[in-house]
Amino acid sequence: GENVEQHPSTLSVQEGDSAVIKCTYSDSASNYFPWYKQELGKRPQLIIDIRSNVGEKKDQRIAVTLNKTAKHFSLHITETQPEDSAVYFCAASKWGGNDMRFGAGTRLTVKP
Amino acid sequence: DVKVTQSSRYLVKRTGEKVFLECVQDMDHENMFWYRQDPGLGLRLIYFSYDVKMKEKGDIPEGYSVSREKKERFSLILESASTNQTSMYLCASSTGSEETQYFGPGTRLLVL
Repeated sequence: GENVEQHPSTLSVQEGDSAVIKCTYSDSASNYFPWYKQELGKRPQLIIDIRSNVGEKKDQRIAVTLNKTAKHFSLHITETQPEDSAVYFCAASKWGGNDMRFGAGTRLTVKP
Repeated sequence: DVKVTQSSRYLVKRTGEKVFLECVQDMDHENMFWYRQDPGLGLRLIYFSYDVKMKEKGDIPEGYSVSREKKERFSLILESASTNQTSMYLCASSTGSEETQYFGPGTRLLVL
């Protein structure tokens, strides 16, 4: 089955700096890659996703890039703010999503 | 808005007790999932269901069972709770045609 690895496990940045979180996946048939944000004490929520027919997707300060050949994808957050502090999970699945597997998570801390 | 609710936010049980965790979604989603979340291990899939009375094992089904008698409700059962089942349990749901999973608020279970 799919195996997703995520790095780093913790990341601390100064407010205004950029943050990058990287994930690799094992199943070359995976074609859907979401990112979830989980604030302290709250449920994970989808913040951005990308499909395998697209190399990059951007939504305001958040972007995701995908390299299908290398089987890795990354989350980029620019101009970080304290409210970006949370645990971020990457995931990978094939069509339908029943086989979705998550990375171990990255705890991002943005210091004011 | 999709609403996924879980019956309890916090639960304390004794070793050997039978434990029921309930999850309800109000968006007529076909798919429902149970995960456990542990520090450093991310979200690990216990079981999922793609239709009423249908279930599939995830990566860590041992010690758990599930029940889906109605489309909106998915129950996780710990037949005989053990201390190593102390964890945060997250329920999620998704449609049959989209991969995005919507999570419940989680149940933090402590087994003494």
